Amino acid sequence: DAGVIQSPRHEVTEMGQEVTLRCKPISGHDYLFWYRQTMMRGLELLIYFNNNVPIDDSGMPEDRFSAKMPNASFSTLKIQPSEPRDSAVYFCASRSDSSTADTQYFGPGTRLTVL
Amino acid sequence: GEDVEQSLFLSVREGDSSVINCTYTDSSSTYLYWYKQEPGAGLQLLTYIFSNMDMKQDQRLTVLLNKKDKHLSLRIADTQTGDSAIYFCAEISNFGNEKLTFGTGTRLTIIP
Repeated sequence: DAGVIQSPRHEVTEMGQEVTLRCKPISGHDYLFWYRQTMMRGLELLIYFNNNVPIDDSGMPEDRFSAKMPNASFSTLKIQPSEPRDSAVYFCASRSDSSTADTQYFGPGTRLTVL
Repeated sequence: GEDVEQSLFLSVREGDSSVINCTYTDSSSTYLYWYKQEPGAGLQLLTYIFSNMDMKQDQRLTVLLNKKDKHLSLRIADTQTGDSAIYFCAEISNFGNEKLTFGTGTRLTIIP
């Protein structure tokens, strides 16, 4: 299996622009997670889906952030409008309902820089 | 909320053992994990331990869990330069709760 795939790997944009991050989970996985990693706050869970349905979005910072999962093999995290404080590495992770120890598998991340 | 703490830095000579420590506050943790993050990469699961276990060994890795003190450690035997990375402790609590709580990460530096 190719693992969790994220695109783009790097994104540089200007403040006020819309940013869309993409994730393809491991085939057959039921859960998909979006995390953000910053020096100040470490790794934070933003939102997670189960069977394409958003279950907990309490970690989404504000209304500028939105996430969708239109099908089992694709999810997006959108920031509109973007701000410099959104600069971070965004990780997508997935797991199967039958994963040993509820193990989550992480993608390589998207490094977002908002100027 | 729940808290997971780690020291930020550890330096170890090549060939020695590394011990990375973690403390957590959640008394209902079910699984505890160690993830490794190399520069520019995602998080790679190294190992995990179920909360009713005291120890787990997997090749060069030994995980010790003291549930009473809420203390978790990862020992890497015969540390190599390829072990240089940031190591994250994480825990998940309660069945049906998907939230992984991560520590701050410990940056392991290997001294030749």
